[in-house]
Amino acid sequence: GEDVEQSLFLSVREGDSSVINCTYTDSSSTYLYWYKQEPGAGLQLLTYIFSNMDMKQDQRLTVLLNKKDKHLSLRIADTQTGDSAIYFCAEITQGNTGRRALTFGSGTRLQVQP
Amino acid sequence: DGGITQSPKYLFRKEGQNVTLSCEQNLNHDAMYWYRQDPGQGLRLIYYSQIVNDFQKGDIAEGYSVSREKKESFPLTVTSAQKNPTAFYLCASSLTRQGTEQYFGPGTRLTVT
Repeated sequence: GEDVEQSLFLSVREGDSSVINCTYTDSSSTYLYWYKQEPGAGLQLLTYIFSNMDMKQDQRLTVLLNKKDKHLSLRIADTQTGDSAIYFCAEITQGNTGRRALTFGSGTRLQVQP
Repeated sequence: DGGITQSPKYLFRKEGQNVTLSCEQNLNHDAMYWYRQDPGQGLRLIYYSQIVNDFQKGDIAEGYSVSREKKESFPLTVTSAQKNPTAFYLCASSLTRQGTEQYFGPGTRLTVT
């Protein structure tokens, strides 16, 4: 079955790098995503990576994908207090009926201390 | 202003009442989705629609119903048959039916007492 797992909590100091990790089980995943959710808000699509890539960089964000180990990580450089939020890892899977739906992890709460 | 709107932001209902949550998008996206989020958990798919006048059940469709009469609108009805309706409901849309990039609305928090 499909399963996406993340650690629940990460605390860093302002200015440090943050690394949020995720593991997934569906080897047929074509895209993997990172979303950010601030309190009481919807999800913001931060970045995503195609499964034939192993790295993607976008300003302060670096995504690393290890397809062999089914491990995805999000690195935030120079973490700011505004980065405090819950970060969700997600994969897109294709069911038998052709549906393409996102499967989410439970989210990692990032706390940035000044 | 382009985007996905959900209304209202907070909704309160008595047990046994049906309630309809609104989701509108002006992005000309083909596909729309409804997810449910419970505290400390990820999102779970309720229903999705890849094209007007067509929709499919997600993983937790029991107790919910939807319609897709217009491309820009995908309302969700939470019926009295839904055993635990209190949750945060999020609507999303994607440009294509493949759903590769899904963008989310701000959500509606439903409380049923």
